Amino acid sequence: GAVVSQHPSWVICKSGTSVKIECRSLDFQATTMFWYRQFPKQSLMLMATSNEGSKATYEQGVEKDKFLINHASLTLSTLTVTSAHPEDSSFYICSAIRQVEQYFGPGTRLTVT
Amino acid sequence: GDSVTQMEGPVTLSEEAFLTINCTYTATGYPSLFWYVQYPGEGLQLLLKATKADDKGSNKGFEATYRKETTSFHLEKGSVQVSDSAVYFCALSDSTYSGSRLTFGEGTQLTVNP
Repeated sequence: GAVVSQHPSWVICKSGTSVKIECRSLDFQATTMFWYRQFPKQSLMLMATSNEGSKATYEQGVEKDKFLINHASLTLSTLTVTSAHPEDSSFYICSAIRQVEQYFGPGTRLTVT
Repeated sequence: GDSVTQMEGPVTLSEEAFLTINCTYTATGYPSLFWYVQYPGEGLQLLLKATKADDKGSNKGFEATYRKETTSFHLEKGSVQVSDSAVYFCALSDSTYSGSRLTFGEGTQLTVNP
């Protein structure tokens, strides 16, 4: 089946630093990937759509200068949280589109201290 | 805008008990409805889906029927197993397939005890 990985699975960083999260489609190529954010006991909220070779499309209310998305290859999208603050602590999940179905990564837990 | 509401969890059941997880939605048009399952340490996996009213999605003993009149898509299983312990998400899309924008519910944690 289609497999999507994320790295790291858990990261702790200090306030003011930047952290990069990788999302890879392991056995297929994906021109489109999605990035979600999930708070405890809340639903997944779509942050942005990542398209290979073009700029990401951000959802309303998501700061594109804070959450930098790069989809430089057909198997890799990265999310960089710049100048992280404690309120950015969350669970970040990516997904990749294979044919017409969406496959999810296991998520990355970000804790900003 | 579109929204999905799931019953509050967590839900704890004994093995072989009957499971119902309620899901209702608000949407314009005629959305497709999905149930996803997330096992510990893994990504969300599509469990079942229904693309039009009165459709029944089923997989691994789980079922859900698309009820347009009550805007619901409740998940049911007649006899749960310990291996069904996971978080279940209800979701909707304006596409027939899952590969487009999805709106998720809050998720329901299910624990099945032996």
